[in-house]
Amino acid sequence: QKEVEQNSGPLSVPEGAIASLNCTYSDRGSQSFFWYRQYSGKSPELIMFIYSNGDKEDGRFTAQLNKASQYVSLLIRDSQPSDSATYLCAVYGGTSYGKLTFGQGTILTVHP
Amino acid sequence: DGGITQSPKYLFRKEGQNVTLSCEQNLNHDAMYWYRQDPGQGLRLIYYSQIVNDFQKGDIAEGYSVSREKKESFPLTVTSAQKNPTAFYLCASSFSGQGRSGYTFGSGTRLTVV
Repeated sequence: QKEVEQNSGPLSVPEGAIASLNCTYSDRGSQSFFWYRQYSGKSPELIMFIYSNGDKEDGRFTAQLNKASQYVSLLIRDSQPSDSATYLCAVYGGTSYGKLTFGQGTILTVHP
Repeated sequence: DGGITQSPKYLFRKEGQNVTLSCEQNLNHDAMYWYRQDPGQGLRLIYYSQIVNDFQKGDIAEGYSVSREKKESFPLTVTSAQKNPTAFYLCASSFSGQGRSGYTFGSGTRLTVV
């Protein structure tokens, strides 16, 4: 089992819809969870992080964490074509103390 | 402005040649990291360093070497022992023990074997 696994895209949604990106992790000791956005040919940029169970909202983005289920998700409301990118889930802590472990990424396409 | 600078942006390596990728940061971060990304893949950790003069192997360290002589600098050498080096290389940094707040990434170096 991969340490961090994301839903296998690509994911295609119409403009204005909600995009839902999912991530599961195997290490129960994991403490912090991150979502990065990566445009083609560019480096990742941090868009959300969450430490506690529940929801965390920032503008059109909502991160959801369920430690019991070892599940973290990212919702993008009112999706825009500019949201089209690869989204990387990353996990910190537990046996990975001192470094982030990344999932394989989910490609999101928002079509007009 | 504070940030991480990677150079060069593009690098071409001949078979059997060692090449060095530069990574410099002025964020006063203690920890620095090197990741490799292959097309359609996530990031895989090569090496990381929490303090000067100390570094640890990541998941795919074979064929790579690093040094950390200064807090600001963490160069990566891709040796001839790395049989498939063509990839996108990303350097990142954070405050040590502050992985909770995530990393700052450089703009990357794209390495191609010719």
